[in-house]
Amino acid sequence: DTAVSQTPKYLVTQMGNDKSIKCEQNLGHDTMYWYKQDSKKFLKIMFSYNNKELIINETVPNRFSPKSPDKAHLNLHINSLELGDSAVYFCASSAPPGREQFFGPGTRLTVL
Amino acid sequence: GQNIDQPTEMTATEGAIVQINCTYQTSGFNGLFWYQQHAGEAPTFLSYNVLDGLEEKGRFSSFLSRSKGYSYLLLKELQMKDSASYLCAVGGPSGNTGKLIFGQGTTLQVKP
Repeated sequence: DTAVSQTPKYLVTQMGNDKSIKCEQNLGHDTMYWYKQDSKKFLKIMFSYNNKELIINETVPNRFSPKSPDKAHLNLHINSLELGDSAVYFCASSAPPGREQFFGPGTRLTVL
Repeated sequence: GQNIDQPTEMTATEGAIVQINCTYQTSGFNGLFWYQQHAGEAPTFLSYNVLDGLEEKGRFSSFLSRSKGYSYLLLKELQMKDSASYLCAVGGPSGNTGKLIFGQGTTLQVKP
């Protein structure tokens, strides 16, 4: 199946832990994104990479660090997790930036 | 500043027509997008307007007026499966990085 995939789908962890979320797309797109959707369903951009180069870096705590080993993968590492990090994190990709984005299924992160 | 407004909730009857409005004030504009998001799922792309006017795609149409900072999504022949959140998003600011600024979403409930 051609798609954007994320792992894991659910992540439950304790405050202070470090965790990673992985994203892969096989659509041949050059641009990938990370979004955070909070409990009020508000979807907000965090980062974007185009051909492995960081092009969007919103005001996000530096505990969040994206990494793009190649243009088909964009991972998100989060250090020292806090309660407020609980949310659904979506990965997305697009062909050129500015065109429609295709979203992964989301990772529901719960910090206890 | 960046501001996108859409109604929080709407209710409509199966078979009817519903119009979901979106107004925006953003520092840049690279197109207006509509996404559909069913509960617990990823957003999926519905439509894209970059020029003024109406874009029709099956039962869904989207309209844009750039001078008024206004768009609407029109859903015809409503079906129960159309119950979902509808997200208005503006592409911007300058540089066309693919950054999308989302509204808070309109939850549409379709009743029999």
